Amino acid sequence: DGGITQSPKYLFRKEGQNVTLSCEQNLNHDAMYWYRQDPGQGLRLIYYSQIVNDFQKGDIAEGYSVSREKKESFPLTVTSAQKNPTAFYLCASSDRDGNQPQHFGDGTRLSIL
Amino acid sequence: DAKTTQPNSMESNEEEPVHLPCNHSTISGTDYIHWYRQLPSQGPEYVIHGLTSNVNNRMASLAIAEDRKSSTLILHRATLRDAAVYYCILRAQPMDSSYKLIFGSGTRLLVRP
Repeated sequence: DGGITQSPKYLFRKEGQNVTLSCEQNLNHDAMYWYRQDPGQGLRLIYYSQIVNDFQKGDIAEGYSVSREKKESFPLTVTSAQKNPTAFYLCASSDRDGNQPQHFGDGTRLSIL
Repeated sequence: DAKTTQPNSMESNEEEPVHLPCNHSTISGTDYIHWYRQLPSQGPEYVIHGLTSNVNNRMASLAIAEDRKSSTLILHRATLRDAAVYYCILRAQPMDSSYKLIFGSGTRLLVRP
């Protein structure tokens, strides 16, 4: 079945450590997104990419980095510069027609050790 | 970005219709109204969207007021699986280059057996 796969489901980070969250899609979508969700709140955009080898900062990009070397993959690195990384991270994809629905993965829950 | 206002929570009985309201008094003529829902510990799921006319799909119906300042998501027969947080989102067309979804805090729907 087509969809978005995020891994791992749970991740723990030590102080000063970078961690990478995986996002893979087989929907043949051009656009991919990373959102962050804090408890009881809506989602906020971290980074987005509308095409391979191109990506842009969203509203809360500080302390995060991404790459888009393949259409299917959009990994997110949470760097040590992100001082409050504990959150639920969601990856989404869509066609480049901006009015099309976004399809979400099941998320990665990141916690600090 | 145009904002939406939703009740924090609503309750419904199983197998009864549910009407989830959303106010968007600052909506512009080109903003589409989108609804997503999120089950606990999962990514959001697209439900329905529309511009001016009422819309129906297999999941729900969307009723849009004539002045477009409000809309209502209608679940015709609530099931326990419909218990989720429902988000009403406006997306500008043409939208900004990120095509991002701007989430509020949504309405938490509780379905009683």
